[in-house]
Amino acid sequence: EAQVTQNPRYLITVTGKKLTVTCSQNMNHEYMSWYRQDPGLGLRQIYYSMNVEVTDKGDVPEGYKVSRKEKRNFPLILESPSPNQTSLYFCASSRFGNTEAFFGQGTRLTVV
Amino acid sequence: AQKVTQAQTEISVVEKEDVTLDCVYETRDTTYYLFWYKQPPSGELVFLIRRNSFDEQNEISGRYSWNFQKSTSSFNFTITASQVVDSAVYFCALRNAGNMLTFGGGTRLMVKP
Repeated sequence: EAQVTQNPRYLITVTGKKLTVTCSQNMNHEYMSWYRQDPGLGLRQIYYSMNVEVTDKGDVPEGYKVSRKEKRNFPLILESPSPNQTSLYFCASSRFGNTEAFFGQGTRLTVV
Repeated sequence: AQKVTQAQTEISVVEKEDVTLDCVYETRDTTYYLFWYKQPPSGELVFLIRRNSFDEQNEISGRYSWNFQKSTSSFNFTITASQVVDSAVYFCALRNAGNMLTFGGGTRLMVKP
């Protein structure tokens, strides 16, 4: 089954404690990206990757890191989480062009 | 820069009413793609439809229909005879030729029995 898998689904952590949210896709898609969803703001792109070892900033990259060492994986790293990073996070993958993005189930992160 | 605006943040209708969700976009690209996604209360994002900038043909799928008008930069979504199960947040999105995908702020639709 074609899917994007994020882990964990829910996470509560404390300020400053490094965390990683994993994302994996099984569709051999070139393009992967991370979004955060906040009330009234829709989904805003954090980082994206066009292919292995190629990553770039989206609209709201501050406080986040990513890596793309393999085509299927695109982890999101918060080196020192802060309460303003409390949000719902989505990973997505797609081919280029006129194709839809496939989304993971979402990760609800709370930073206290 | 590209932008997607969904001016209606929340809509409430009674079951069986028709409802239209508005989406207006801005882009300098001549080639682009438009999408609608549904986010039910369970939280996942469900793809509904895509359109490319060269295809202005409207589409109907069951109770759903989409009206793409390049002249007004709009891609509106209509649900006919709404049902309680249609209650969700709906997102309109725009992808440019460089693959940047931009979402609108979403419209929360509440369908009451």
